[in-house]
Amino acid sequence: EAGVTQFPSHSVIEKGQTVTLRCDPISGHDNLYWYRRVMGKEIKFLLHFVKESKQDESGMPNNRFLAERTGGTYSTLKVQPAELEDSGVYFCASSQVRGRSEQYFGPGTRLTVT
Amino acid sequence: SQQGEEDPQALSIQEGENATMNCSYKTSINNLQWYRQNSGRGLVHLILIRSNEREKHSGRLRVTLDTSKKSSSLLITASRAADTASYFCATDGDSGAGSYQLTFGKGTKLSVIP
Repeated sequence: EAGVTQFPSHSVIEKGQTVTLRCDPISGHDNLYWYRRVMGKEIKFLLHFVKESKQDESGMPNNRFLAERTGGTYSTLKVQPAELEDSGVYFCASSQVRGRSEQYFGPGTRLTVT
Repeated sequence: SQQGEEDPQALSIQEGENATMNCSYKTSINNLQWYRQNSGRGLVHLILIRSNEREKHSGRLRVTLDTSKKSSSLLITASRAADTASYFCATDGDSGAGSYQLTFGKGTKLSVIP
């Protein structure tokens, strides 16, 4: 069974540019989560999809971040325009049954904004 | 202070010794999960313990949970150099939005010296 995959593994962009991160969850997992870890801080929740619907986006830092999960399969997280403080590692995780099963994480996308 | 704080922040042991890491949290939880992160890589799920469980084993791993003290411990027995990594505990609980997102601590950095 393939795990959670993320693309790209690393992205370097200039302040003001746009970046789109992609996450492919484990097949059959309805729940998809985005988290991020900025330098020196804890891993923080961003948002949660159940299939194609946003269940909880309380962790999204501001309206420069837009997440989608059209069709309920893969998800994208767009940052537009990127700021220096957006640098960090963005993780995606998926789970089968929310609140009752493990969340499996992807390898993360390291975003560097210069 | 944070939900899911690990203790100690760093631990260095000789190969073959046991390693114990602790985690404390503040709010009621549904599950507690332990993850490992090797340098520069993604989070690997190690074990999930439910709030009604007190102890769980998986190979060389032993996890305990004391909900009255809001704490958990991860014991790695007969450590190996390959166990060198950062270890995180993560708690989930219904935030009210029904997402059961994970709340992470800063992690314990374990170094196993061959």
